[in-house]
Amino acid sequence: DGGITQSPKYLFRKEGQNVTLSCEQNLNHDAMYWYRQDPGQGLRLIYYSQIVNDFQKGDIAEGYSVSREKKESFPLTVTSAQKNPTAFYLCASSHPGVRRYEQYFGPGTRLTVT
Amino acid sequence: GQQVMQIPQYQHVQEGEDFTTYCNSSTTLSNIQWYKQRPGGHPVFLIQLVKSGEVKKQKRLTFQFGEAKKNSSLHITATQTTDVGTYFCAHGGGGNKLTFGTGTQLKVEL
Repeated sequence: DGGITQSPKYLFRKEGQNVTLSCEQNLNHDAMYWYRQDPGQGLRLIYYSQIVNDFQKGDIAEGYSVSREKKESFPLTVTSAQKNPTAFYLCASSHPGVRRYEQYFGPGTRLTVT
Repeated sequence: GQQVMQIPQYQHVQEGEDFTTYCNSSTTLSNIQWYKQRPGGHPVFLIQLVKSGEVKKQKRLTFQFGEAKKNSSLHITATQTTDVGTYFCAHGGGGNKLTFGTGTQLKVEL
């Protein structure tokens, strides 16, 4: 089955620790995205990548970092500099072209930092 | 990116009643996407609208894009419990980026 996997589903960390969230897709999509969702709110774009070895900051990139060494993988690191890291993190991917706004989402990772 | 405001924020309906959520922008939008997120789940793409005045239907769901391309609506006829979730509109801009609205949370009571 083609799709996007994110692991783990739930993640707990102590304040001051960096943590890396995994995102893998086998849809052969060029573009990948990371969003943050807070309770009762919409999705906010953290980082996105349109092609391997290239990525751009989204609207709320501060305190986060990414890499795109492989087409299938787009890991997100939440650093200790992120002031409010507790949130639901969603990874997505899409094809270029006319369907580029049809994004496929992974199941998400709920991160809790205490 | 361009801001899209979505109303209402919450809607409770009795099963069988209709439901509508609206997405508004102060500027012209080149496109609108609609997504649905079930409670505890992830957003799922429903549809894309790109033409002025466009209307698309998916079973009990009707999607409209305004003539001026500044607003859009999603209407559900005769809601069912399976319609529960949050509905988001989203505008696509440069770099394949999507800007999401704040969402409308729909609850359906039996």
